[in-house]
Amino acid sequence: AQTVTQSQPEMSVQEAETVTLSCTYDTSESDYYLFWYKQPPSRQMILVIRQEAYKQQNATENRFSVNFQKAAKSFSLKISDSQLGDAAMYFCASTNFGNEKLTFGTGTRLTIIP
Amino acid sequence: DGGITQSPKYLFRKEGQNVTLSCEQNLNHDAMYWYRQDPGQGLRLIYYSQIVNDFQKGDIAEGYSVSREKKESFPLTVTSAQKNPTAFYLCASSIFLGTENLRDEKLFFGSGTQLSVL
Repeated sequence: AQTVTQSQPEMSVQEAETVTLSCTYDTSESDYYLFWYKQPPSRQMILVIRQEAYKQQNATENRFSVNFQKAAKSFSLKISDSQLGDAAMYFCASTNFGNEKLTFGTGTRLTIIP
Repeated sequence: DGGITQSPKYLFRKEGQNVTLSCEQNLNHDAMYWYRQDPGQGLRLIYYSQIVNDFQKGDIAEGYSVSREKKESFPLTVTSAQKNPTAFYLCASSIFLGTENLRDEKLFFGSGTQLSVL
């Protein structure tokens, strides 16, 4: 069974600064995917970034990037130049290839300080 | 525009009553999912379906039922056996790709239904 752990219930960052959200996971599979989802106050789940485990290169999407440490089973999200619109709950999730059952962490609430 | 539509946005259930949450998608996705979200917790999988007329229990299926008679629709019924139904329910869909040539694992979510008990 997969588990995903987010140890930071809440984080805050000054606008325009950089913040890193932590996530660790556990899986016995060798082929899997990792995701970060954003849930703003509207509660719509929005995919932020995705990482395939077989790729060594860290995924990047504009101001969002990940630090994927496969051996340590760590998958942190870095948000650069934080903006007020980044305020949300952020969920880390994982799934095995071909399985499609996402396992979610408990989330980190990110506050942006103007 | 393609997407996933959940209705209603808010739903109230009386004691002993069954209620049904609607989920429709026009993305031509094979797989559909129901997740439950409680305050301070992540999403937990209730049921999922990878093809029409077939579905599987997730981690917290007790007190819930589903059907998948059409590819576009995956309604969730919260039965009276579910003693603590108050939660936010999210429906999702994805393309079921199990081959090496098509690696596009990601879920698209609806906007959710908040269910409360009267």
